[in-house]
Amino acid sequence: GENVEQHPSTLSVQEGDSAVIKCTYSDSASNYFPWYKQELGKGPQLIIDIRSNVGEKKDQRIAVTLNKTAKHFSLHITETQPEDSAVYFCAASLTGFQKLVFGTGTRLLVSP
Amino acid sequence: DTGVSQDPRHKITKRGQNVTFRCDPISEHNRLYWYRQTLGQGPEFLTYFQNEAQLEKSRLLSDRFSAERPKGSFSTLEIQRTEQGDSAMYLCASSRVPEEQYFGPGTRLTVT
Repeated sequence: GENVEQHPSTLSVQEGDSAVIKCTYSDSASNYFPWYKQELGKGPQLIIDIRSNVGEKKDQRIAVTLNKTAKHFSLHITETQPEDSAVYFCAASLTGFQKLVFGTGTRLLVSP
Repeated sequence: DTGVSQDPRHKITKRGQNVTFRCDPISEHNRLYWYRQTLGQGPEFLTYFQNEAQLEKSRLLSDRFSAERPKGSFSTLEIQRTEQGDSAMYLCASSRVPEEQYFGPGTRLTVT
């Protein structure tokens, strides 16, 4: 089955810096890659996603890139703010299969 | 608020007792998912409904677990004869189109 690895497990940055979180997946048939932000005591919030027919997608300060050949995808957050502090999860799924397979999460801390 | 809602938010029970959780999806979403999340890990898929039909179940869903979605709207997840290993956050998600899943706040279960 699909396996998703995520790095780093923790990331500390200063406010205004950029943050990059990387994920790799094992099943080349996976074609949907969402990113979720989870704050303490809350459920995961979908922040951006990308499908395998697109190499990059951007939404304001966040962007996701996908390299199908290498089977990895990354989340980029620019001009980080303290409210970006949370745990971020990547996930992958295959067309026709409903489940998302999640990475183990990255705890992002943005210091003022 | 038109998001996914879950009830209760917290449940403490003694080992051997039965518990039931409820999930109300976003109103126009016909797909509903249950996941389990343990501390420091990403959510793990349990089961999936399309309308009232349960179409996929994970091997994680032992015979002590049962999920229903009787009228294709809300869903319930029941755990019988709870064990300490069942302690986790139980997350519900819903979607209108495949893959784009929106999560509720979760039910945190503690088995003592």
